[in-house]
Amino acid sequence: DTGVSQDPRHKITKRGQNVTFRCDPISEHNRLYWYRQTLGQGPEFLTYFQNEAQLEKSRLLSDRFSAERPKGSFSTLEIQRTEQGDSAMYLCASSLSPGEGGYNEQFFGPGTRLTVL
Amino acid sequence: AQSVSQHNHHVILSEAASLELGCNYSYGGTVNLFWYVQYPGQHLQLLLKYFSGDPLVKGIKGFEAEFIKSKFSFNLRKPSVQWSDTAEYFCAVNAYSSASKIIFGSGTRLSIRP
Repeated sequence: DTGVSQDPRHKITKRGQNVTFRCDPISEHNRLYWYRQTLGQGPEFLTYFQNEAQLEKSRLLSDRFSAERPKGSFSTLEIQRTEQGDSAMYLCASSLSPGEGGYNEQFFGPGTRLTVL
Repeated sequence: AQSVSQHNHHVILSEAASLELGCNYSYGGTVNLFWYVQYPGQHLQLLLKYFSGDPLVKGIKGFEAEFIKSKFSFNLRKPSVQWSDTAEYFCAVNAYSSASKIIFGSGTRLSIRP
C-alpha cells in the first residue's frame, strides 16, 4: 500500500501524559498536513510542512503541540500534558506542491484516534 | 475568515432517490471548492473539485456539483443514489491565496435504505 500511513491507529492515555503520533506520507509528496477531527465535525487544519519547513500553524496548535518533519519525509506530532479536550482523531495528509488553481489534491491517512482519560 | 456550512447533518434516502446536499461557504476572494467522502471504515477521499471554468463539475461515482458564485454555494447532487453511497460527505474550501489548508464543513451523514 503506497498511501499515507499513520501510527498508531488508536491511543488511549491518561491526562497529563505525553503522546506522539507518526505520519508517513506518499513518498514523492513534499507537502504534509496535520488536521484534527472531533466527533460530529469536519477536519480542522493544524499545520503543514513543505519538505522539512513548517510553513503554517493554526492557532488551534497550542504550545503543548509540536510537529516536526526532520528529513522532509515522515512527520511526528507530539502533544504534551494531554487534556481531555485533546481527544480527537488526528489526520495526516500529503500532497505535491500546488499546481493548477494553486492547489494539489491532499491524500489523507486513516488517522490516529486519541482518547484522553 | 473562511468558513463552510453544511445545513443537513443527517440525510436518509431510499435507493434510487435523488440526492442534493447543500454547502455554502464564506470567503470573498477566489476559492477552490471540494467535496470529500468518507465511507465507513475508510479514509477521506476526494469526490470532486472545482478550480475554474465550467461551474458544473463531475466527480466519481456519478456525483456532480454546481458552483453558484452569487450564492456562495457548491451543492452536491446525484440523480439516483445506491446503498453503497452510504457515507459521510464533507464540503471544503481552499482560498486561492492560501495554497495549503483546506477548511471543511461539519459533514453530512448520508444513510441509504436498501
